[in-house]
Amino acid sequence: EADIYQTPRYLVIGTGKKITLECSQTMGHDKMYWYQQDPGMELHLIHYSYGVNSTEKGDLSSESTVSRIRTEHFPLTLESARPSHTSQYLCASSDTTGIIDTQYFGPGTRLTVL
Amino acid sequence: AQKITQTQPGMFVQEKEAVTLDCTYDTSDQSYGLFWYKQPSSGEMIFLIYQGSYDEQNATEGRYSLNFQKARKSANLVISASQLGDSAMYFCAMKRRSGAGSYQLTFGKGTKLSVIP
Repeated sequence: EADIYQTPRYLVIGTGKKITLECSQTMGHDKMYWYQQDPGMELHLIHYSYGVNSTEKGDLSSESTVSRIRTEHFPLTLESARPSHTSQYLCASSDTTGIIDTQYFGPGTRLTVL
Repeated sequence: AQKITQTQPGMFVQEKEAVTLDCTYDTSDQSYGLFWYKQPSSGEMIFLIYQGSYDEQNATEGRYSLNFQKARKSANLVISASQLGDSAMYFCAMKRRSGAGSYQLTFGKGTKLSVIP
């Protein structure tokens, strides 16, 4: 079981604000991911990273950006939040040294933009 | 393109009974993997069970088992002896290749399971 943390768990913010959602894992996993999930819907991959200084965009277009300066840390930033960004954001990590490459998830951040 | 279909938006089951959650998939890959995750109302995604396409036996993990029928492209989750704490959303996901040695997950829309006392 991976230890993966996300802060804040809940965030209510006004339009136009800059926000950073934090994600950290203590398992030394090389791969990390960000998913966006609207209530009652499936998860959509928005960003992923295969290691330090490696970031890629996922299937769902997102105005957010990510960085991977340290193995354990994968923050997501929105420069100017809008109501359309209201959603749950889930961070995950996986260990590619295993055959299965199971993704383990953090508790999520529920973002509401007013 | 890979696709996961979960046809049951919601399911009810009596406590202590068994329940099957359906998942069908579509892929042209010969090698793939299927995952089931549980998402309680608190929001986190909990890994339950995994089945590889070349695994000859159905995966089992405690009260969870996977009814894998490769020819029918189905990977149904069976939960035995349901408990109240099993009430949650359940997502089926397929591992797909995204590059040399790299994989990503495609998720289904999920099934909301409610366990009745």
